[in-house]
Amino acid sequence: DTAVSQTPKYLVTQMGNDKSIKCEQNLGHDTMYWYKQDSKKFLKIMFSYNNKELIINETVPNRFSPKSPDKAHLNLHINSLELGDSAVYFCASSQDDTGYPGNEQFFGPGTRLTVL
Amino acid sequence: GQNIDQPTEMTATEGAIVQINCTYQTSGFNGLFWYQQHAGEAPTFLSYNVLDGLEEKGRFSSFLSRSKGYSYLLLKELQMKDSASYLCAVRDRTGGFKTIFGAGTRLFVKA
Repeated sequence: DTAVSQTPKYLVTQMGNDKSIKCEQNLGHDTMYWYKQDSKKFLKIMFSYNNKELIINETVPNRFSPKSPDKAHLNLHINSLELGDSAVYFCASSQDDTGYPGNEQFFGPGTRLTVL
Repeated sequence: GQNIDQPTEMTATEGAIVQINCTYQTSGFNGLFWYQQHAGEAPTFLSYNVLDGLEEKGRFSSFLSRSKGYSYLLLKELQMKDSASYLCAVRDRTGGFKTIFGAGTRLFVKA
């Protein structure tokens, strides 16, 4: 059973389009994240949700809107896609958003977004 | 602010030992993680340190010195499958717990 799953795995689209990426975790975790990994391999936090509530929003353009219908799902909608949005987007989850020892993150397989 | 530095690339020989260093600056240190990421795949958790000293897990060990803002990941008996990127990540408790990732060290293991 996949712990953290994302769909789609690949997304190729034109500039200006709107697209969504879905993420689900079956680990019973409270906290979910979206990361962007660009061509230089920097993994940068975009958003974090704890029990469906937004807790981290890292200076991400308004075109990116996360939605968490329940604590097992965190989707990412992107409006008016730009060339610079091309990257791999990773969803992740952790037990919760506290600093207890460990509390490592489990990552989904990633969605490779290419904007033409 | 936060800053994490690690070498961009390293090369080592199968069967050898390699040490990947990481230095960090953060105002609210709350633990350091190492993740492994194979090309085209997701990062996977390797180790966690919050107190000074060495944590050993099979062929992998991780060391932390909080006073020096320094950690290393030690890989012993290198295997070809260890060729991957190794990401150093620091959890900061300032304004809520947030994990900041370094750019990663690409390790090439040669025969």
